[in-house]
Amino acid sequence: QKEVEQDPGPLSVPEGAIVSLNCTYSNSAFQYFMWYRQYSRKGPELLMYTYSSGNKEDGRFTAQVDKSSKYISLFIRDSQPSDSATYLCAMSDGGGSNYKLTFGKGTLLTVNP
Amino acid sequence: IAGITQAPTSQILAAGRRMTLRCTQDMRHNAMYWYRQDLGLGLRLIHYSNTAGTTGKGEVPDGYSVSRANTDDFPLTLASAVPSQTSVYFCASSTLVGTGELFFGEGSRLTVL
Repeated sequence: QKEVEQDPGPLSVPEGAIVSLNCTYSNSAFQYFMWYRQYSRKGPELLMYTYSSGNKEDGRFTAQVDKSSKYISLFIRDSQPSDSATYLCAMSDGGGSNYKLTFGKGTLLTVNP
Repeated sequence: IAGITQAPTSQILAAGRRMTLRCTQDMRHNAMYWYRQDLGLGLRLIHYSNTAGTTGKGEVPDGYSVSRANTDDFPLTLASAVPSQTSVYFCASSTLVGTGELFFGEGSRLTVL
């Protein structure tokens, strides 16, 4: 079993839809959970960051972490064409070295106007 | 503009040639990283450096070398390029806090023929 599993999609939704992106993981030591957004032919950029379990909201974006199920989600409300990108989940055990960051393979999202 | 600068943006290279990908950051981050991104495989760590003068191996280090003579620069060298090294290479940097926020460059697209 891979440490982090992420459905690669592609996922295509109409503008205004609610989008749910998910990752599962196997390493119970992960404490820091992140979502990166990567536009085509660009580098990834940090979108959301959460520590341990719970929810975090930032505008139209909500990140959820369920450590008991080893499952994290990113919800996008009122999705816009500008949200079209690849979304990568990433996780760390917080050991003080970011080289331990483990990425999912990414989900390609297209929001159609 | 603060951030990470990578060069070249793209390059076509004959197999067996030596190639150095350059990476410079102006955020005074301690840690720097090189990832490669391949379709279906996601981001994979090649080498990292937690501070100037130190380097470490990531998940896929074979065929690559790095150096970290100062805080700002972290070049990646392919001593004798092979077609399997065709990929998009991303340089990233971070502070040494284990929160997982990496700042990525725009990437270098390398094709080895």
